[in-house]
Amino acid sequence: GENVEQHPSTLSVQEGDSAVIKCTYSDSASNYFPWYKQELGKGPQLIIDIRSNVGEKKDQRIAVTLNKTAKHFSLHITETQPEDSAVYFCAASGASYGGSQGNLIFGKGTKLSVKP
Amino acid sequence: ETGVTQSPTHLIKTRGQQVTLRCSSQSGHNTVSWYQQALGQGPQFIFQYYREEENGRGNFPPRFSGLQFPNYSSELNVNALELDDSALYLCASSLPGRPNTGELFFGEGSRLTVL
Repeated sequence: GENVEQHPSTLSVQEGDSAVIKCTYSDSASNYFPWYKQELGKGPQLIIDIRSNVGEKKDQRIAVTLNKTAKHFSLHITETQPEDSAVYFCAASGASYGGSQGNLIFGKGTKLSVKP
Repeated sequence: ETGVTQSPTHLIKTRGQQVTLRCSSQSGHNTVSWYQQALGQGPQFIFQYYREEENGRGNFPPRFSGLQFPNYSSELNVNALELDDSALYLCASSLPGRPNTGELFFGEGSRLTVL
């Protein structure tokens, strides 16, 4: 079945620095790649997503890139702030997952710590 | 517009018992998905409901079952609880006509502890 690998598992940066989290997926049928931010005691919150017909997408300090050939995608956070500290999950979705279109296969998460 | 709400927020059960978790989808969302998130792991897909029918299932045994009601709210039922069922159970809803895009909006989850 499909597998999504996420690295690193923990990431510590200084406030103002950039943070990069990388994910790889195995199923070339995947066509939707969202990123979620999960704060302690809360559910995951969608922060940005990208579809397979796009190579890059940006929203203020957050950007996502997708390389379909290599089957990997990355989250870039610039000018990090202490409130960016959380666990970030990448995910992939496609028709071949679990018999249902739209369900997500998640990575194991990256705990980002931004030090003031 | 209210978001996805789940109840209860926390509960404790013992092995062999049964549990029902409830979810109200975001206003206007007709698709509900359930995920299990073990401590330190990413969420794992349990199943999805669309128009009151199961519309896909992950690698979970039949003792995990669900329902969706005409108002799009949903229940997750787990029978014969095992210690490994201890996890955060997340409900997510999707926009109308777009169950295939993966744009999921999650609730805060129900934390289940099995002793």
